[in-house]
This record gives sequence, structure tokens and C-alpha cells, in this order.
Amino acid sequence: GAVVSQHPSWVICKSGTSVKIECRSLDFQATTMFWYRQFPKQSLMLMATSNEGSKATYEQGVEKDKFLINHASLTLSTLTVTSAHPEDSSFYICSTGTGSISPSNPQHFGDGTRLSIL
Amino acid sequence: AQSVTQLGSHVSVSEGALVLLRCNYSSSVPPYLFWYVQYPNQGLQLLLKYTSAATLVKGINGFEAEFKKSETSFHLTKPSAHMSDAAEYFCAVSGAIQGAQKLVFGQGTRLTINP
Repeated sequence: GAVVSQHPSWVICKSGTSVKIECRSLDFQATTMFWYRQFPKQSLMLMATSNEGSKATYEQGVEKDKFLINHASLTLSTLTVTSAHPEDSSFYICSTGTGSISPSNPQHFGDGTRLSIL
Repeated sequence: AQSVTQLGSHVSVSEGALVLLRCNYSSSVPPYLFWYVQYPNQGLQLLLKYTSAATLVKGINGFEAEFKKSETSFHLTKPSAHMSDAAEYFCAVSGAIQGAQKLVFGQGTRLTINP
């Protein structure tokens, strides 16, 4: 069964609105979650690392005031795209680390959220 | 820094034929390597991983990959392609120098299966 649940799977909204995407770890407590962005026919680009109970770590070039991340519990991280514009349209995917925090442990991914800004 | 290069953005094979998807990595520390598969409008599913226990790694759906340090490669193979294998495949690397569990992905290879 699914290890990571991401919601919503698809959202269309008007330019200027804010959109919240939820990422839930279903089977275990995730102290770390990751948020990726994927453009059509391209690879995944890591946006930020979400840390439970502390501030997220953003990758270079990602606007932290634009993409707000909250990781208030061990099973839920949220990504809010604030004042969204058409250029923010993309496929957003979250993932969680598994087991102990180690580079040898694979990540488990949600099914993604397709965001379309009109 | 670590990086991954997937040779061939698109690979097309006939059903029943051998599948070979190429991945080369660059890493200054011992790498951990992963292959993921992505079906349309879905997230990524782990196929297999290399964590130094064995150089030949078997994964799900009949896929396997061999780690070759001398060639800095981690190519993905499957002896006989099935129509359900059509998808996007990503090779990824992680390592301690980037922080635990941070992944760097290759560009992806789209696999098409011809009937």
C-alpha cells in the first residue's frame, strides 16, 4: 500500500491565489520530507528539505517566501505556493526519508500534485 | 558534488527484447545509487538500490542493475520487456557529502515498448 499520501492530486486556480499541498507519511514518523518540482518531460528538481519542528532548508534559487513549507508533525508536511502565477504551474512531488536518516535508505514518493495556474 | 548522467532520453524496444537503460554517476565519496520508475501523472516508485552490499542488485518487476566502479556506471537491465514497462526511468545518487538522503536525479529515460 501507499507509504506517502499527497493531496490534492490536481488543482487549477486563478493567478494570485495561494495553494496548499499536503504530504502525509502513512506508515512511519518522518522527521524529514522532501519537496520536488518537475517540469514536463524533465527530471525532478529538489526545492527544499522539510524538517519536523524546525525551518525548512531551501535549495539555491528557490524563493522561501514564495514556497512556504510547514512540517508541524511527524506525519504531515505542507507546501503552500503563495500568490501563484502561471509560471508556478508544474508537477510537485513530495517524498519522505525511510528508517534512519541515512543516504543508503531510499525515499518514498507521493503521487504528485499537478498545479495549473490560469 | 555528485551528479548522474542518463544516456538516451528515449529508448524504444520490442516486447520481449532486452531492456538496457544507461546511467553513469560522478561522486567523490562512495555513492548510493537508486533506480526509480515513474508512470504518467504519478510519483516515483523504487525499482532497486545499490548500497555497497552487492554489485549486482535485483529489483522489482524483473529489473536488475550492476554497479561497476571502474566504469562509474549503474545500468538498468531487464531480459524481456513487457508492455507494462513503458514509463519514465530515473537514476539517482545520494551520499554523505550532500546531507543524508538528499537525492540527485538524472535527466530520465523514457522507455517505449513496441508490440
